[in-house]
Amino acid sequence: GAVVSQHPSWVICKSGTSVKIECRSLDFQATTMFWYRQFPKQSLMLMATSNEGSKATYEQGVEKDKFLINHASLTLSTLTVTSAHPEDSSFYICSARDSIAGRTGELFFGEGSRLTVL
Amino acid sequence: DQQVKQNSPSLSVQEGRISILNCDYTNSMFDYFLWYKKYPAEGPTFLISISSIKDKNEDGRFTVFLNKSAKHLSLHIVPSQPGDSAVYFCAASVANTGNQFYFGTGTSLTVIP
Repeated sequence: GAVVSQHPSWVICKSGTSVKIECRSLDFQATTMFWYRQFPKQSLMLMATSNEGSKATYEQGVEKDKFLINHASLTLSTLTVTSAHPEDSSFYICSARDSIAGRTGELFFGEGSRLTVL
Repeated sequence: DQQVKQNSPSLSVQEGRISILNCDYTNSMFDYFLWYKKYPAEGPTFLISISSIKDKNEDGRFTVFLNKSAKHLSLHIVPSQPGDSAVYFCAASVANTGNQFYFGTGTSLTVIP
């Protein structure tokens, strides 16, 4: 079946550094990918919608300059947490849907990336 | 503002019995709903979906019921198995807004052998 891969699965960084997380659709093309953040014991919160070839659409309250999203190809979206601080520590998850399937197609999730900022 | 709510953070059920997980939403424009299952430190995996033109969808042991007037959906698992122990999220999507899904806070299901 379709697979979405995230890398790295776990990253520890120092405060003030930037971290890049990759999300790849392995056997399908995705014009749209989604980035979520999960706080402990809380829901998946949609951060932004990543659009191939154009700017990402951010949810209210999400800092665009803090969380840079690039969707350079139909199979890759990246999330860069810039100047990370301890409060950015969280579990980040991406998802994607096969472009051919349309809006009601199954949404596939990556394995998630746990970011710890010291 | 949480548009999709799962008011029960946890649920324990005996193996073989029915598990019923509930989800409420506030946005009447939601027209497509999904249930996801999540194990710790893993991404969610899709379970079952339902569109607003239906009130029931069944897939094996899993059945989702949608009550549009009450803005309520539920997931029934029968018979429940220990491997079903996980966190279950419901999610909803609004028509004509692309592919954005809004998730509930999740219900942790424990199936006791």
